[in-house]
Amino acid sequence: NAGVTQTPKFQVLKTGQSMTLQCAQDMNHNSMYWYRQDPGMGLRLIYYSASEGTTDKGEVPNGYNVSRLNKREFSLRLESAAPSQTSVYFCASSELGTSVSEQFFGPGTRLTVL
Amino acid sequence: RKEVEQDPGPFNVPEGATVAFNCTYSNSASQSFFWYRQDCRKEPKLLMSVYSSGNEDGRFTAQLNRASQYISLLIRDSKLSDSATYLCVALGVGFKTIFGAGTRLFVKA
Repeated sequence: NAGVTQTPKFQVLKTGQSMTLQCAQDMNHNSMYWYRQDPGMGLRLIYYSASEGTTDKGEVPNGYNVSRLNKREFSLRLESAAPSQTSVYFCASSELGTSVSEQFFGPGTRLTVL
Repeated sequence: RKEVEQDPGPFNVPEGATVAFNCTYSNSASQSFFWYRQDCRKEPKLLMSVYSSGNEDGRFTAQLNRASQYISLLIRDSKLSDSATYLCVALGVGFKTIFGAGTRLFVKA
């Protein structure tokens, strides 16, 4: 099993460009999450999907959209990238809600917006 | 004030030392707590859950003090391989997950 996979691993964008970060899990988990990690800030939840067909905002959703394409896949879209969105983005999944189960993380996408 | 606060360190300790990390959380409604480990430029991975009664896993011991709203992690007999960043996590109602910024540990030979 690959666990949680993310593509791409690295990306450089110019301000105003758009892109989609892809995430897939093969553990049959119900819940999936997108985080960003910035120096000194820890991981912050952008959006989550409790189950297939549902998505909700986390702590820092502005400037992002998500799609839970099916049970396996959860994508994050930046419609008009800004330098403030330069960060490392992690996707995670868990069997149930976070209060009862471990989250498994993907390897991350390192995004730079110029 | 951050909802979950950790001493950023770094903690520099020799092999074999005992080191303790503390973490405080501000939301008394937080229901579950975890410690994650993150190696440089890697993803976080679960180290251990934190229970009110305290729990131990080999050289690692985690404690929760709900009255004072803090969580601790004790590492005994430190190894070089313990060098990493340790993330404290508090989970609130539903899916609200709050990570601390992490404490960096360097174990020296």
